[in-house]
Amino acid sequence: DTGVSQDPRHKITKRGQNVTFRCDPISEHNRLYWYRQTLGQGPEFLTYFQNEAQLEKSRLLSDRFSAERPKGSFSTLEIQRTEQGDSAMYLCASSLAWGELFFGEGSRLTVL
Amino acid sequence: DQQVKQNSPSLSVQEGRISILNCDYTNSMFDYFLWYKKYPAEGPTFLISISSIKDKNEDGRFTVFLNKSAKHLSLHIVPSQPGDSAVYFCAASVDTGNTPLVFGKGTRLSVIA
Repeated sequence: DTGVSQDPRHKITKRGQNVTFRCDPISEHNRLYWYRQTLGQGPEFLTYFQNEAQLEKSRLLSDRFSAERPKGSFSTLEIQRTEQGDSAMYLCASSLAWGELFFGEGSRLTVL
Repeated sequence: DQQVKQNSPSLSVQEGRISILNCDYTNSMFDYFLWYKKYPAEGPTFLISISSIKDKNEDGRFTVFLNKSAKHLSLHIVPSQPGDSAVYFCAASVDTGNTPLVFGKGTRLSVIA
């Protein structure tokens, strides 16, 4: 399978714990995006990378959130001190510079 | 403030008829528009796009129309099939796709056999 893969697919955690999600993009894609989707909403942009450079961050990305793409390949999204409001589907997508986004299946986070 | 609005949360259509999904936007800088389809437990998948230099783009059963003066686009699916039942998201971007996409809330389409 050469699509975007995300891990884990589901994560249940207690409030205050840290969680980390991983995204492996399509290999030749130089752009990688993180979006968040809550019930009844469309995907909301969080941040994106071109190669290893983080080019833009949404104001939705609080100080508790950090994303990295150390070698311009896979990316991680870490949420520290999780809150119940962080419960959502976290979607990763990749693209070529001018192409449409290809999404992974998402990582669903539930914070108890 | 929603820059991309899909005002119909759901739509039900009979198989074989036309489905029309609507989308309005407020940011006049948007110049690239896309439609994505999403099945449950899957990520959104790209369906069709249109640049602001065009007013129509067609791909098989799917046609997207863009009315720049009204800041409105629509997706037509004809004929509708049960497999088209999904949530459809409208998305827009500035600078011809060179900036992150802004999504609407989606419209759930149900095609009834």
